[in-house]
Order: sequence, then C-alpha cells, then structure tokens
Amino acid sequence: AQKITQTQPGMFVQEKEAVTLDCTYDTSDPSYGLFWYKQPSSGEMIFLIYQGSYDQQNATEGRYSLNFQKARKSANLVISASQLGDSAMYFCAMREGRDSNYQLIWGAGTKLIIKP
Amino acid sequence: DGGITQSPKYLFRKEGQNVTLSCEQNLNHDAMYWYRQDPGQGLRLIYYSQIVNDFQKGDIAEGYSVSREKKESFPLTVTSAQKNPTAFYLCASRASGRGPTRETQYFGPGTRLLVL
Repeated sequence: AQKITQTQPGMFVQEKEAVTLDCTYDTSDPSYGLFWYKQPSSGEMIFLIYQGSYDQQNATEGRYSLNFQKARKSANLVISASQLGDSAMYFCAMREGRDSNYQLIWGAGTKLIIKP
Repeated sequence: DGGITQSPKYLFRKEGQNVTLSCEQNLNHDAMYWYRQDPGQGLRLIYYSQIVNDFQKGDIAEGYSVSREKKESFPLTVTSAQKNPTAFYLCASRASGRGPTRETQYFGPGTRLLVL
C-alpha cells in the first residue's frame, strides 16, 4: 500500500492565486514527520517545510504553509500568492517512527505550472 | 558557503563499466544518503550512512556500492551489475539528533547518468 499519496499529477494555476497541493499519508506510528520539497527543472531538491506529528500548530515558512489534518492523515501544502518561479515538481515525504534512521518515504510528486 | 556538491553533473557509462559519483558536504552533517530518481517518479533510497565507516543498504542497493571513509564524503559506485543505471542520482545529508532542523535532509544538485 502507498504510504504517501499525491493525487494530483499536474496542476495549472494562474499567477498570484493561492495553490493547494494534496498529500495523504498512511502510518500507525504516533511519531512521524512530514516534509515538502520543491524540485525545479534544474533537478535539485529544495526543502520547503516540515511538520512533526506532535506539533500543535500548522507549520509556516514565508509563503508556504502546511495544512495538517491529523485525523484525516493529510498534510497539504499551501502556497499563497503564487509566482512564476513556483513552477516545479513538488514532493511530499514522511519520516516514520523513531527508529527508522530518518529514512524518508516519498510520494510520486505533483507538477505545478504557474500561468502568467 | 556551506552546502553539498555532486560531480560530475552528467556522466556517461559504457557497457560493463563501473562509474563513481562524487558527493561532498561541508555542513558537518553526520548522515548522508544516496537516492535514485527515474523520470516522473519519486525518490528511491540506494544507500545511507549515519556515521563514518558505517553504511546500510536502502531499498534498491543491488548493483551499487558506497564507502564512507571521511565525514565529508560519500561516493557512490554504479557497478556493471546494475543493468539499468540511467537515472538522476541525488545525494543528501542530515545533521544528527532530533528536532525539525536535524530531521531534514538537504540535497546536492544531482548527477545525471546515461548509458552509451
């Protein structure tokens, strides 16, 4: 079974609009961490935001916020006021458990294209 | 500037040839990781190392080998046993310990390996 599911293979969004990228996860471990990375066409993976399973508040980093709904096991990335430079692949990943050696489980990604 | 470097950016492999991909970091991170990314896919873990002179196999280690003789360096060798090596290879590192900044993996720019 998929542990990280990103249901949107691709999205087109108008510049300056807000974007929500979906991510659902599957784990029975109470301790886990959720990550979002951006991969532009150059290929490098850029860390965007982190949410721990015990964090009470949704994580925010500048224009990025993580809509963490623990009961639904979803960790959607919200990008406010999208920019042309936001066009990229976006990956959701999970660190599961305390003894996992911090290995990450990755989703298949969502390709986001911002239209001018 | 602290960061992770990978070389070369592009690498061509002939049939039956072993090739080595370089990964160097000056972030003083203890843990290092190698991932493989195929087109349109997420990342798959090849090998990881938590400390010098120690490493563990990831999900797709067959046909690959690594060494960790220095904290800063974690080279990956793609051997002739790897029958389908064409892919994008990403190296990452992580500081040790717990907490959001220490759980996050930071990535190099990647190496594209092509088979001639």
